[in-house]
Amino acid sequence: QITLKESGPTLVKPTQTLTLTCTFSGFSLSTSGVGVGWIRQPPGKALEWLALIYWDDDKRYSPSLKSRLTITKDTSKNQVVLTMTNMDPVDTATYYCAHSTGYSDYWGQGTLVTVSS
Amino acid sequence: EIVMTQSPATLSVSPGERATLSCRASQSVSSNLAWYQQKPGQAPRLLIYGASTRATGIPARFSGSGSGTEFTLTISSLQSEDFAVYYCQQYNNWPSTFGQGTKVEIK
Repeated sequence: QITLKESGPTLVKPTQTLTLTCTFSGFSLSTSGVGVGWIRQPPGKALEWLALIYWDDDKRYSPSLKSRLTITKDTSKNQVVLTMTNMDPVDTATYYCAHSTGYSDYWGQGTLVTVSS
Repeated sequence: EIVMTQSPATLSVSPGERATLSCRASQSVSSNLAWYQQKPGQAPRLLIYGASTRATGIPARFSGSGSGTEFTLTISSLQSEDFAVYYCQQYNNWPSTFGQGTKVEIK
């Protein structure tokens, strides 16, 4: 059974750096073809891909956010970490991590991050 | 970046009726197209991948079709649990992109 769960702060101040951790079970991020990604959804709005890391450490970033994002993996801990710098109120959203092989068949429950002073 | 356009924005349907949702890509995505269902307060759920393959556990009333730039999700007979927002996603090119969603509401 594949599960994923996001963890991190629920409130960050403008200009701060956000660090989110995705802890997963039921699969290995060292298996060929497997990836874990981060997707966000502002309240009442659509989904937006942020970043994706593959089993071979290939990393993909949203072009519009690339300068602010870093994605890493710790295969031994079954974790993927996303950092986003210089947070702004427009970054307020629910952040999801997902198991991905192109499409995303398993998702975490999401974590709402509010950016406010 | 490939732009995904979904129509209509809102679809009002009576239970038991058929619902047809459309998704158009700004350039060809081959068959690398997925559909998701999202209910309030929940994460998206994968319904269809590869444009037409149902994900595990998805009822047969959900079907997907299309290739290239034009795609359709059909719900043959709407059940009460099907009223939700539906998103398409292309994963042919990075960045993967989602449509803006179609809300299926009770008529």
